[in-house]
Amino acid sequence: QVQMVQSGAEVKKPGASVKVSCKVSGYTLTGLSMHWVRQAPGKGLEWMGGFDPEEGETIYAQKFQGRLSMTEDTSTDTAYMELSSLRSEDTAVYYCARYYDVLSGSRFDPWGQGTLVSVSS
Amino acid sequence: EIVLTQSPGTLSLSPGERATLSCRASQSVRSSYLAWYQQKPGQAPRLLIYGASSRAIGIPDRFSGSGSGTDFTLTISRLEPEDFAVYYCQQSGTSPHTFGQGTKLEIK
Repeated sequence: QVQMVQSGAEVKKPGASVKVSCKVSGYTLTGLSMHWVRQAPGKGLEWMGGFDPEEGETIYAQKFQGRLSMTEDTSTDTAYMELSSLRSEDTAVYYCARYYDVLSGSRFDPWGQGTLVSVSS
Repeated sequence: EIVLTQSPGTLSLSPGERATLSCRASQSVRSSYLAWYQQKPGQAPRLLIYGASSRAIGIPDRFSGSGSGTDFTLTISRLEPEDFAVYYCQQSGTSPHTFGQGTKLEIK
């Protein structure tokens, strides 16, 4: 079955960029729609963006437009999420999750284990 | 953007009791695009229900989902100690994908 393993925790200064990886096993990345969701400490889940199979392109939540980039390296089955111009409010656990959209119902499953990104001066 | 409002914010119950969690959408959501997740402290969310009422693989049958349009419900028929966690509803029918703010199910 599909499994995802994410890179380790990061500590960044305000204004810097962070790049989090999500390595897929049990399937090839080209056959998946990978999305990213984040969770600030003690808060709920926030969708950031991901590959839309209907549109055939990556879509981003409006609030991250211009500083979020999602890429893939199909040779290593690894997805990447890069967030730039970091601020303290970006401190969160970042999750990759496969988006599965079929007639029976769409869902995010499975999820990576999460990567804590801390932004502090 | 479709806003999902979950209620109650916190639900205090005892093992063996029945839990009913609500998710109300600001606009109609196609049932096939409504899912429920469980999250325990320090863990990633786990898929419970998709298509509003289909249980994910490995999810016990005490978990059930129902609803349509703007009102959806997650029911846990008889609470087990491991069911105390935070539960989120989520919709994918209209971009952007959105999550409810969560319901914390705690032991009374």
